[in-house]
Amino acid sequence: DVKVTQSSRYLVKRTGEKVFLECVQDMDHENMFWYRQDPGLGLRLIYFSYDVKMKEKGDIPEGYSVSREKKERFSLILESASTNQTSMYLCASSSTGGSGKTEAFFGQGTRLTVV
Amino acid sequence: AQSVTQLGSHVSVSEGALVLLRCNYSSSVPPYLFWYVQYPNQGLQLLLKYTSAATLVKGINGFEAEFKKSETSFHLTKPSAHMSDAAEYFCAVRGYSSASKIIFGSGTRLSIRP
Repeated sequence: DVKVTQSSRYLVKRTGEKVFLECVQDMDHENMFWYRQDPGLGLRLIYFSYDVKMKEKGDIPEGYSVSREKKERFSLILESASTNQTSMYLCASSSTGGSGKTEAFFGQGTRLTVV
Repeated sequence: AQSVTQLGSHVSVSEGALVLLRCNYSSSVPPYLFWYVQYPNQGLQLLLKYTSAATLVKGINGFEAEFKKSETSFHLTKPSAHMSDAAEYFCAVRGYSSASKIIFGSGTRLSIRP
């Protein structure tokens, strides 16, 4: 089974702090994603990476950056945390789509509270 | 750009009744399409996926979805709702490119009345 592991289930940070959310997958997937989930808004894509050191902005990249130095690890960075970044953050990975393997596999999520 | 629209943020049905959750997609070419389910305090789980092999796709827990290109729809159905189906359901779309984003809808919360 694919396993996507997020380093923390719950985090509480102060406004202005630099925050790192870490995600590791064990299935050698090329693609990795960071989403935030808010009630009524569904999952919104923050950033997407399709290879080591390669990234694309999603729909809501403002206030975030990402790092992918190794294939299995994708980090989300909040440069200066603000209260409006309080949310559930979900990491996912997927293969390139060959042999019908198209879907994303998700971690359990990190609930971040910025106070 | 690809997108999905889920009609109805909240759907309530009686136990044993038909479940119908609506999803319409926007894509320049026929995409890959997915339905995911999220039970309370749990992660997202794949229910089913469309990858162009067949327009009627069967998934887990008795759910199925039909891809209709003419209507750009991928609605999720289940003939008879069970209390355990209460959850949030998300429709998602992905393009054919190997380096393709996966875009989700805003979700539909399904409630089951006894």
